[in-house]
Amino acid sequence: DSGVTQTPKHLITATGQRVTLRCSPRSGDLSVYWYQQSLDQGLQFLIQYYNGEERAKGNILERFSAQQFPDLHSELNLSSLELGDSALYFCASSVGLEVFPANEQFFGPGTRLTVL
Amino acid sequence: GQQVMQIPQYQHVQEGEDFTTYCNSSTTLSNIQWYKQRPGGHPVFLIQLVKSGEVKKQKRLTFQFGEAKKNSSLHITATQTTDVGTYFCAGRLETSYDKVIFGPGTSLSVIP
Repeated sequence: DSGVTQTPKHLITATGQRVTLRCSPRSGDLSVYWYQQSLDQGLQFLIQYYNGEERAKGNILERFSAQQFPDLHSELNLSSLELGDSALYFCASSVGLEVFPANEQFFGPGTRLTVL
Repeated sequence: GQQVMQIPQYQHVQEGEDFTTYCNSSTTLSNIQWYKQRPGGHPVFLIQLVKSGEVKKQKRLTFQFGEAKKNSSLHITATQTTDVGTYFCAGRLETSYDKVIFGPGTSLSVIP
């Protein structure tokens, strides 16, 4: 158990819909990272928040957005969903503000999104 | 565009044999990290390499960063069934602070 929690575990929805994925970082970690893992694209860095502020942007689509709240939990919002958005979405956390932390980043168990 | 490749894609070994996966980038990396993901699990950070030519060891695992900082390798000595999983490398581009690229991974199977 990494100490990072993600909800829900599984999500099945239809094309065109909007969903919200939630992540709670490890206690004391200020950075939250979102990743997408799909069969054809592998693991991709989407976005990082540090202490409530957007820190770095990776390959995040315009249909996707994220935020980090004062209690440091984060949400990833996916809208106008397409079949190709079906993937595992991981959240990770770390203590520091680096986009590629020298110290460990701890991954949550992931949310499996299926778009039908 | 910038790419990080890993070879082989799959490797099946007999328990006790050695295993090596190679990570090759088309551009120079500022640092590289290695992760392991068990089937059905999440990525787990293994190590970070920063310096050109750096070699780090963790028990049976040896990690190397190339002199040109464009390639890296992970070598496992005397594999065990607990080594089963996919090993990913990830690098940050030297020219771009925000650009982090993951390799596609090498899936390791260990036959008892």
